[in-house]
Amino acid sequence: EDQVTQSPEALRLQEGESSSLNCSYTVSGLRGLFWYRQDPGKGPEFLFTLYSAGEEKEKERLKATLTKKESFLHITAPKPEDSATYLCAALSEAGNNRKLIWGLGTSLAVNP
Amino acid sequence: GAVVSQHPSRVICKSGTSVKIECRSLDFQATTMFWYRQFPKQSLMLMATSNEGSKATYEQGVEKDKFLINHASLTLSTLTVTSAHPEDSSFYICSADPRGKRGSYNEQFFGPGTRLTVL
Repeated sequence: EDQVTQSPEALRLQEGESSSLNCSYTVSGLRGLFWYRQDPGKGPEFLFTLYSAGEEKEKERLKATLTKKESFLHITAPKPEDSATYLCAALSEAGNNRKLIWGLGTSLAVNP
Repeated sequence: GAVVSQHPSRVICKSGTSVKIECRSLDFQATTMFWYRQFPKQSLMLMATSNEGSKATYEQGVEKDKFLINHASLTLSTLTVTSAHPEDSSFYICSADPRGKRGSYNEQFFGPGTRLTVL
């Protein structure tokens, strides 16, 4: 069964304390791995798409990496404004059926 | 680029009434839009895929007669919650893929969401 698991469920960091969020996936025919940021009461904001193992993408303090089993979202020297829920989703393709499978998210709080 | 808007952002209605939520792609055309529902502290649950000019595809367990979807143009999809009840109260979010062809998609861009409260 296709599944995406994110860990930890919640993470509290001090400002400047770097860390990583994990997204483990088991899907049929991975066609893409997506990272989103969601603030309370708002829709998810697109961050990155990764398509193949070994791929890395960066944006400001965030860097996303992908292996054949998992993806990491590395946060370097986070600031309080990085506090949000980070969601990952895997695009699975089996035959003509494409499906986006969502993780439950990691709630990040960065203390000043 | 790739901006998606939703209207209204918040709606409160009485039980038994119908509520329409609009989803618009502002700077691109979207042959496919998606409707999600999200409960507090839970992830996104796909309700249906909306295809321009054709019937929506509903996920298992989602009542198509209760959640009516219309995708009449390349920039507008609507979700109507018919005969709403308190259990329909939730956060509804739409998304669109700015580069996907019909039946395929890459990254999705999301609207800001609509908070529905049914009294």
